[in-house]
Amino acid sequence: NAGVMQNPRHLVRRRGQEARLRCSPMKGHSHVYWYRQLPEEGLKFMVYLQKENIIDESGMPKERFSAEFPKEGPSILRIQQVVRGDSAAYFCASSPTSGAGYEQYFGPGTRLTVT
Amino acid sequence: KNEVEQSPQNLTAQEGEFITINCSYSVGISALHWLQQHPGGGIVSLFMLSSGKKKHGRLIATINIQEKHSSLHITASHPRDSAVYICAVRSVSGSRLTFGEGTQLTVNP
Repeated sequence: NAGVMQNPRHLVRRRGQEARLRCSPMKGHSHVYWYRQLPEEGLKFMVYLQKENIIDESGMPKERFSAEFPKEGPSILRIQQVVRGDSAAYFCASSPTSGAGYEQYFGPGTRLTVT
Repeated sequence: KNEVEQSPQNLTAQEGEFITINCSYSVGISALHWLQQHPGGGIVSLFMLSSGKKKHGRLIATINIQEKHSSLHITASHPRDSAVYICAVRSVSGSRLTFGEGTQLTVNP
């Protein structure tokens, strides 16, 4: 059973370009969470999605950031018109359902560098 | 004040020492997680607990819900335990995790 997969592992974008980060949850998991780790800072929640639904996006910056988790395919975190401050490690995690009894399993992360 | 506070921020130990990392939180939670992040950056879940104590190999995690406090212990520490250890709490109302700043552990041979 493959773990949570993220790609690309490293992404370099120039200021103003778009970044697309992909997350494939573990098999059988329908809940995906995105977290961001800025340099020298702790992890911060961004968004929680179920298939075709955004459940909680309270941690997402209000502009330029969007996330989706379609019925088929991976979850996508999209950052438009990237700026240097978007440089960070972006982790996704998945769980089979929500609730306190279920672990979240983390992917290896995508390291975004904006030049 | 952060909702999740860890101490110490940095910890250096000699191989074989007993290590304790502490986590205090100020909100109601449904579960608490201990995570390990290695220099390569990947995150591994060590424990998820909502009461009492769990043990896995040389690692022990405890939680006191009344005092809003958890500890992670490592017995007979080894250089391969060198990593950042992160405490995270899951809110009562949802599934989002709130993280502590992490404890950088270095175990010297």
